[in-house]
Amino acid sequence: AQTVTQSQPEMSVQEAETVTLSCTYDTSESDYYLFWYKQPPSRQMILVIRQEAYKQQNATENRFSVNFQKAAKSFSLKISDSQLGDAAMYFCAYSPWGKLTFGKGITLSVRP
Amino acid sequence: EPEVTQTPSHQVTQMGQEVILRCVPISNHLYFYWYRQILGQKVEFLVSFYNNEISEKSEIFDDQFSVERPDGSNFTLKIRSTKLEDSAMYFCASTRREPTIHEQYFGPGTRLTVT
Repeated sequence: AQTVTQSQPEMSVQEAETVTLSCTYDTSESDYYLFWYKQPPSRQMILVIRQEAYKQQNATENRFSVNFQKAAKSFSLKISDSQLGDAAMYFCAYSPWGKLTFGKGITLSVRP
Repeated sequence: EPEVTQTPSHQVTQMGQEVILRCVPISNHLYFYWYRQILGQKVEFLVSFYNNEISEKSEIFDDQFSVERPDGSNFTLKIRSTKLEDSAMYFCASTRREPTIHEQYFGPGTRLTVT
């Protein structure tokens, strides 16, 4: 069975600083996709960034970047220059095709 | 920008009652999903739907659940006889073409409270 593990339930970062959120997953598939979703208090699910497993290059979206280590099955999210609006629940998700399998999420707070 | 919509935003129902949660996916999308999130827990896959039939379902999606695309725009999730443990946020999602390759767009969710 495919599982996604986010072992840190909470993290805090000072505004303008950098924070890294960890995620590991377990799969026997060779081709798959990994995602980070943001869920603010409104509970809307918002896609932050996506990584294709066949790509060696780490994905980047503005202040958000990932460190994808396929052999270690690790997929961490780095948020640079943290802003107050980044405060939310962040979910790591995995998909070989179709459905998404989510981790338990991590609550990120941003200190002004 | 087109978006997935869901109604109602909040539904309160009594145990044993039937509920129908409604979703309007983005108009040119072909693959549809329901997920649920019990408060404080992770988002869990319920069912995927393509070409007017279920393509995959989880073990959560038992005989009490059904999905339907009654017309060209709506996608519904029905719970026949609600239980207390069905209280959760239910998210609809859709994607244009091949799932995963194309982003799943989530609706804002329906909060279901079973009393």
